[in-house]
Amino acid sequence: ETGVTQTPRHLVMGMTNKKSLKCEQHLGHNAMYWYKQSAKKPLELMFVYNFKEQTENNSVPSRFSPECPNSSHLFLHLHTLQPEDSALYLCASSAGLAGTNTGELFFGEGSRLTVL
Amino acid sequence: GNSVTQMEGPVTLSEEAFLTINCTYTATGYPSLFWYVQYPGEGLQLLLKATKADDKGSNKGFEATYRKETTSFHLEKGSVQVSDSAVYFCALSPTGTASKLTFGTGTRLQVTL
Repeated sequence: ETGVTQTPRHLVMGMTNKKSLKCEQHLGHNAMYWYKQSAKKPLELMFVYNFKEQTENNSVPSRFSPECPNSSHLFLHLHTLQPEDSALYLCASSAGLAGTNTGELFFGEGSRLTVL
Repeated sequence: GNSVTQMEGPVTLSEEAFLTINCTYTATGYPSLFWYVQYPGEGLQLLLKATKADDKGSNKGFEATYRKETTSFHLEKGSVQVSDSAVYFCALSPTGTASKLTFGTGTRLQVTL
């Protein structure tokens, strides 16, 4: 099992569809993250969860809805997206938010989303 | 606020050439600095880091020195290989923790034979 696994790797959806991205980590970490990676832009932090509780929401539109049922799983529910939401969505995990956290994030391979 | 500026790519080099990828930052206090690398089709992974001024991070032949006077953290490698072809991201954390990482835009490196 790789450390952080994301599914699906590729997703094409229409603006009226509802879909979900899934992330699973096998590292025993407590914190999980969603990032958006767009061409020629810095990685954008979307959400942070620590011990299943959301600790950060960086002004993300409500058409993106995260869910963290436990420390190992993270979902991003997608609804009524726009073409400009097309991007690579990266999930990451870390040992914690502070204390033992050394600043190292462990990333999945990403889900490439295309909104038509 | 905090920000990271990287040189625009792509950077194209021949194998065994010397590599420099520039990175400068803006932050208050004494942030920790990082370089992450993203190989084709993969997620980002930590390459090296430095937590205080004049520290040198190193890994896999890559080095970067934390220069507070110039607010820089340039990535260098003496002799690149084709397998180094990837996108390199500079990042900072004001608290040294992953939850507050600010990334740059990334610099694509292409190494040819």
